[in-house]
Amino acid sequence: DAGVTQSPTHLIKTRGQHVTLRCSPISGHKSVSWYQQVLGQGPQFIFQYYEKEERGRGNFPDRFSARQFPNYSSELNVNALLLGDSALYLCASSLTYSPTTTDTQYFGPGTRLTVL
Amino acid sequence: LAKTTQPISMDSYEGQEVNITCSHNNIATNDYITWYQQFPSQGPRFIIQGYKTKVKNEVASLFIPADRKSSTLSLPRVSLSDTAVYYCLLTDTGRRALTFGSGTRLQVQP
Repeated sequence: DAGVTQSPTHLIKTRGQHVTLRCSPISGHKSVSWYQQVLGQGPQFIFQYYEKEERGRGNFPDRFSARQFPNYSSELNVNALLLGDSALYLCASSLTYSPTTTDTQYFGPGTRLTVL
Repeated sequence: LAKTTQPISMDSYEGQEVNITCSHNNIATNDYITWYQQFPSQGPRFIIQGYKTKVKNEVASLFIPADRKSSTLSLPRVSLSDTAVYYCLLTDTGRRALTFGSGTRLQVQP
């Protein structure tokens, strides 16, 4: 079975531009989360979506937005890129959004974004 | 928010057992202890999760004392391919976002 897939693998943008990153969850998984990982640090939570609704948001500016589609895939959008947005962007999928279990999150390989 | 503390780095040799200890003094009743492994430029990979006592799977063991204020990830007979960053996290049903610290960088040498 395919794992979480992300596209593109690498991306180079300049300051002020906009970027869209894409994620396809594991088949059957309905929840998708996005994380940003700056070099040398652990991943930081950006968003979580379940059944097309936002279920959680981390401490990121409004330049960051996301959505989830009926097929459970997801997009992360970042506007007005800054140099500090250069990072590995990770997508993770989990089976459900149950309030009674700790669903394991499975990560994709990430998209390496470089802002010049 | 409950936090975890783990060593910044560890060194080992191939074939040795490696134990990485994580401190979580303020762990809550609903918290589970979860470990992830991450190779450079890849996404973190789930290793093991536990609530109390001992959990074991095909790649690792997790030891959790009765007070749950710490936990130890045990990797038996490490190989060069186990060189990675290991993250200890607290997860619960009410807090969906994973909170990663800086992790422990394990270097396995021949």
